[in-house]
Amino acid sequence: GAGVSQSPSNKVTEKGKDVELRCDPISGHTALYWYRQRLGQGLEFLIYFQGNSAPDKSGLPSDRFSAERTGESVSTLTIQRTQQEDSAVYLCASSLGLWGTSYEQYFGPGTRLTVT
Amino acid sequence: DAKTTQPPSMDCAEGRAANLPCNHSTISGNEYVYWYRQIHSQGPQYIIHGLKNNETNEMASLIITEDRKSSTLILPHATLRDTAVYYCIVRPTTSGTYKYIFGTGTRLMVLA
Repeated sequence: GAGVSQSPSNKVTEKGKDVELRCDPISGHTALYWYRQRLGQGLEFLIYFQGNSAPDKSGLPSDRFSAERTGESVSTLTIQRTQQEDSAVYLCASSLGLWGTSYEQYFGPGTRLTVT
Repeated sequence: DAKTTQPPSMDCAEGRAANLPCNHSTISGNEYVYWYRQIHSQGPQYIIHGLKNNETNEMASLIITEDRKSSTLILPHATLRDTAVYYCIVRPTTSGTYKYIFGTGTRLMVLA
């Protein structure tokens, strides 16, 4: 079946502009996660959504970052007034649930954001 | 969350077993050990996870020490396609947090 998809695959934007990154999770997966990966570094957790529960936003680095999810489908990560330090690959993942093997996360290919 | 430490890089000859260690000395009794890998320019891929007992699947084996303070991921017959960064992560089995805390992982280079 289809995996997690993300769009765009690459985004180049000027400093100060807003960007929207999209994630389509695997159908039926109730949990969705966003991560950031700077060049040569590990993944940083940003936010996760689980069903209708309040999202865990504890990883969002500043109030310029926000994310929404419609039900158990598409999610959008928005970065306002982009800065050069926002340049990174933004990865989305989804999982069937939160426990045991249902917690196995499936990752998308990422969106490479470059802020000039 | 428990922190994990891994060697930054390792080499392995093609066809030989690759043994990747992970230290998680502050792990709690309710925390699973998960392993993922990230091949260049791709998203991470789940490999295996365990709590107390050793685990094996079609990709790898996971050996967890009796005191659970460390574990080893074993790729029994490494191929060139196994070249990747391998991440060891711990997370609770009970409610509290559902996020992974990734470290910098081990960069495994499989050599022909």
